Amino acid sequence: KQEVTQIPAALSVPEGENLVLNCSFTDSAIYNLQWFRQDPGKGLTSLLLIQSSQREQTSGRLNASLDKSSGRSTLYIAASQPGDSATYLCAVRSSWTSYDKVIFGPGTSLSVIP
Amino acid sequence: DGGITQSPKYLFRKEGQNVTLSCEQNLNHDAMYWYRQDPGQGLRLIYYSQIVNDFQKGDIAEGYSVSREKKESFPLTVTSAQKNPTAFYLCASSGLNTEAFFGQGTRLTVV
Repeated sequence: KQEVTQIPAALSVPEGENLVLNCSFTDSAIYNLQWFRQDPGKGLTSLLLIQSSQREQTSGRLNASLDKSSGRSTLYIAASQPGDSATYLCAVRSSWTSYDKVIFGPGTSLSVIP
Repeated sequence: DGGITQSPKYLFRKEGQNVTLSCEQNLNHDAMYWYRQDPGQGLRLIYYSQIVNDFQKGDIAEGYSVSREKKESFPLTVTSAQKNPTAFYLCASSGLNTEAFFGQGTRLTVV
């Protein structure tokens, strides 16, 4: 059974720092991996989607990498800003036929201090 | 604008009462999902539907019920059989082989 973990559970950094969030999964037979952002009391906003055949995806100051063999993905945030403060979740999808085979990690709560 | 809408944003339930959470999408997505989110845990799948008039149980379906009479709508009823319903509920929709879009959530509290 696929399990997804995220370490650390919480992270606090000063503004301007580059940072890395980690996502680990136990079964390397995945279809894709997705990173989401969640603001307090809000829904999830998709940040980056990496297909299993890809190694990384970039969007602005965000870069996500995927290493299936080691069961790891990282989300790199460059030059962090207070507006980046949120919870970041990764989700691993094991089936292309349906979104029901998606397992979410518990999230990393990020706080960027001005 | 296309999107997925959940209502209400906040909901309070008395002991023994059934309550229904609304989820509507205008994205023409075939599949819709309900998740429950508790502090410190990942999202857990309650029910999902891939086509009108059909739905499947997820990992934590006990105490919940759904219907899918229209493609655009997938309401979730939290019944009195759900002993610990206080949580944040998220609805999502997706097309086949596409990423999902999420609503803004409903926070349910038992009073």
